[in-house]
Amino acid sequence: KNQVEQSPQSLIILEGKNCTLQCNYTVSPFSNLRWYKQDTGRGPVSLTIMTFSENTKSNGRYTATLDADTKQSSLHITASQLSDSASYICVVSASYGNKLVFGAGTILRVKS
Amino acid sequence: DVKVTQSSRYLVKRTGEKVFLECVQDMDHENMFWYRQDPGLGLRLIYFSYDVKMKEKGDIPEGYSVSREKKERFSLILESASTNQTSMYLCASSLLTRDYNEQFFGPGTRLTVL
Repeated sequence: KNQVEQSPQSLIILEGKNCTLQCNYTVSPFSNLRWYKQDTGRGPVSLTIMTFSENTKSNGRYTATLDADTKQSSLHITASQLSDSASYICVVSASYGNKLVFGAGTILRVKS
Repeated sequence: DVKVTQSSRYLVKRTGEKVFLECVQDMDHENMFWYRQDPGLGLRLIYFSYDVKMKEKGDIPEGYSVSREKKERFSLILESASTNQTSMYLCASSLLTRDYNEQFFGPGTRLTVL
């Protein structure tokens, strides 16, 4: 069964600190993996996309990694800001069309 | 910028009512999607459409129907709302490409069925 599991479910960190969110998947055949950020009361917005051949991709203070062998991805946030408080959703695409498998998300709260 | 708009941010309906949720996108995308989002669960696909008047069932179509009469507009219909349909509903659109298919989401409609 195609599944995406994220950990932790929720996380509280102090402003300025770093954090890492995890994503494990069993989607096959694999096409790509995206991390989305969803602010409260808004729809998800794509942060990064990674294909099978990529193992690191950065978008400002966000760095995503992908290990296609172990089927794991992480999202590292550097020097967190209050505006990073959101839900972060890992989404894996199977390579047979538009099928996306969504993780349940990690809720991040950054405190001052 | 791609813009996906949804007709209501919040909606309260009674059990048995017919409910219409509308979604409009302005980027000429072929694909449009309806999801529901519940706490602790990932987004679940209700229906999608890859062309006008075309629709495909997603993972949880029961109790829902859809309509796509124009390319830019995709409507979700709850024929007879029930309390277990209380949820956040998200609409999305994307280009008709096989891979790297970023979906652009609307702000969501939080529906409460009493």
